[in-house]
Amino acid sequence: NAGVTQTPKFRILKIGQSMTLQCTQDMNHNYMYWYRQDPGMGLKLIYYSVGAGITDKGEVPNGYNVSRSTTEDFPLRLELAAPSQTSVYFCASRSQSGGEQYFGPGTRLTVT
Amino acid sequence: GESVGLHLPTLSVQEGDNSIINCAYSNSASDYFIWYKQESGKGPQFIIDIRSNMDKRQGQRVTVLLNKTVKHLSLQIAATQPGDSAVYFCAERNSGNTPLVFGKGTRLSVIA
Repeated sequence: NAGVTQTPKFRILKIGQSMTLQCTQDMNHNYMYWYRQDPGMGLKLIYYSVGAGITDKGEVPNGYNVSRSTTEDFPLRLELAAPSQTSVYFCASRSQSGGEQYFGPGTRLTVT
Repeated sequence: GESVGLHLPTLSVQEGDNSIINCAYSNSASDYFIWYKQESGKGPQFIIDIRSNMDKRQGQRVTVLLNKTVKHLSLQIAATQPGDSAVYFCAERNSGNTPLVFGKGTRLSVIA
């Protein structure tokens, strides 16, 4: 199993541009999550999904959108990038019965 | 709302000594707790977890202690090694479907 994979690893955006951060897991996990981590800080939940077709807002959803059309994929969309969205983005997943969330390697995004 | 915090933002220990990282949580309804290790430039990695029906759980060189009376969680690392240098996060969850809530993290530095 590859686990949780994220692409791209790094990206620089100009203010106002849009992009999609990709997240895929091959563990057949129902639950998937998107977090952002600012320098020296903990992880803040952006959006999460408990299964295909279901998404819910987390602590900091403004400026982001998600979709969950398949069990494997949970893309995160930034429509109008702002400097405040400069951060490292982590995707995670877990099984319905499991406790541990498995994290991807992260996407480092800079908005200038 | 729910919050998970840490007493010490940084901790320096001598190689070979034991390390103790502390965490306070505020939600008495939390029933699952977990510790993650995050090395520089990587995603969080699972260390150990504990459910609220337990007070102590041991892994390889790590022990998690849960004191529900004072809402306190700790991670003990025995014979700390240079490879243990990282940021450690505690997280909690208060029901099976809700996402983990993360604390700010403690940076552990091991002095050789």
